Amino acid sequence: EAGVVQSPRYKIIEKKQPVAFWCNPISGHNTLYWYLQNLGQGPELLIRYENEEAVDDSQLPKDRFSAERLKGVDSTLKIQPAELGDSAVYLCASSPGRGSHEQYFGPGTRLTVT
Amino acid sequence: GENVEQHPSTLSVQEGDSAVIKCTYSDSASNYFPWYKQELGKRPQLIIDIRSNVGEKKDQRIAVTLNKTAKHFSLHITETQPEDSAVYFCAALGAGSYQLTFGKGTKLSVIP
Repeated sequence: EAGVVQSPRYKIIEKKQPVAFWCNPISGHNTLYWYLQNLGQGPELLIRYENEEAVDDSQLPKDRFSAERLKGVDSTLKIQPAELGDSAVYLCASSPGRGSHEQYFGPGTRLTVT
Repeated sequence: GENVEQHPSTLSVQEGDSAVIKCTYSDSASNYFPWYKQELGKRPQLIIDIRSNVGEKKDQRIAVTLNKTAKHFSLHITETQPEDSAVYFCAALGAGSYQLTFGKGTKLSVIP
């Protein structure tokens, strides 16, 4: 079974530029999460999707961050414009949903904003 | 919201010894507690989890215990090996939500 796929793995951009990250969850997983992980810290939830619906985006900085999961499968997270403090690893995870709590993570995208 | 505290932040053990990592949580309604292992530059990998209706769960050399009354849970690794060296994160899932709150991690070093 293929795991969660993310691209790109690394991204370096200048501040004020836009950036987008892509995630393809494990096949059949209805629930998709985007997390932010700062160096030396645990992941922090940004947004959770149940199929194509964003059911928890309370921790997403909506002034510059947006996300979509149009067909309920893969998802894109965007930052526009990026700030220096956005440098971090952006992790995507998926879960079967329907009462199953196990979350499986992708390899992440390491973003560096200069 | 949920708050998860994890101790110690770093842990060094001799190969073959046991390692124990402890976490406490604040929300008594939390009902699912996974542990993740993250090697440098790699994805967090689910290694074991426990639900609130179970007190202990084992999988070969790793085990997790849960004390609901005290609101703490622990990861136990026996017969440690160098490949166990990694950062370990505990997490708690709030009841009625699917939001995992993670601890800050424990860097485990197994010395050959």
